[in-house]
Amino acid sequence: DQQVKQNSPSLSVQEGRISILNCDYTNSMFDYFLWYKKYPAEGPTFLISISSIKDKNEDGRFTVFLNKSAKHLSLHIVPSQPGDSAVYFCAASSLSTGANNLFFGTGTRLTVIP
Amino acid sequence: DSGVTQTPKHLITATGQRVTLRCSPRSGDLSVYWYQQSLDQGLQFLIQYYNGEERAKGNILERFSAQQFPDLHSELNLSSLELGDSALYFCASNGGTPYNEQFFGPGTRLTVL
Repeated sequence: DQQVKQNSPSLSVQEGRISILNCDYTNSMFDYFLWYKKYPAEGPTFLISISSIKDKNEDGRFTVFLNKSAKHLSLHIVPSQPGDSAVYFCAASSLSTGANNLFFGTGTRLTVIP
Repeated sequence: DSGVTQTPKHLITATGQRVTLRCSPRSGDLSVYWYQQSLDQGLQFLIQYYNGEERAKGNILERFSAQQFPDLHSELNLSSLELGDSALYFCASNGGTPYNEQFFGPGTRLTVL
């Protein structure tokens, strides 16, 4: 059972525009959420995270929004750059239960068109 | 470079065989996690070790086992391999405390023929 879902396998955006990647989860025990970026032949690289006590976290061009009631989070990239082209994974964990392991979505492939 | 190393990078073997994947965590990290990524799937958590002891277990098959050694490197052993075990296997590490993001190695691509 996939507890973290990324329903859009791919997304194409023009350079300079906003990229919005979405993620839904089903487990209400999840209280910490992360986004990872993955290039081919490399491991996932941590991008940004958010705790369930917040609804927004910003780091430069990257902002993550969390809507707990909808069990939904999104990653906004503004402005998008060609170097942002990669597969983006949403991940969640349940730190309140003492578990650090991450549950991953299936990823969204972002292509930023120059 | 995340500081996490994995060897080998690629592994091709036959059904029924046994292989060992190796992971060296970032310097100072006590926790090691193993994940499996099959084709077009997300990463699936297999097992976590913290300072030599098993901390958490995910959907790890009984044919798979892992251990973490005193120098904190970890090995994932896969036996009686089946075609469906072909996947990318990632190791990640962190300090073991909450809110620490996990740092991933480059992965080992296993192909079972």
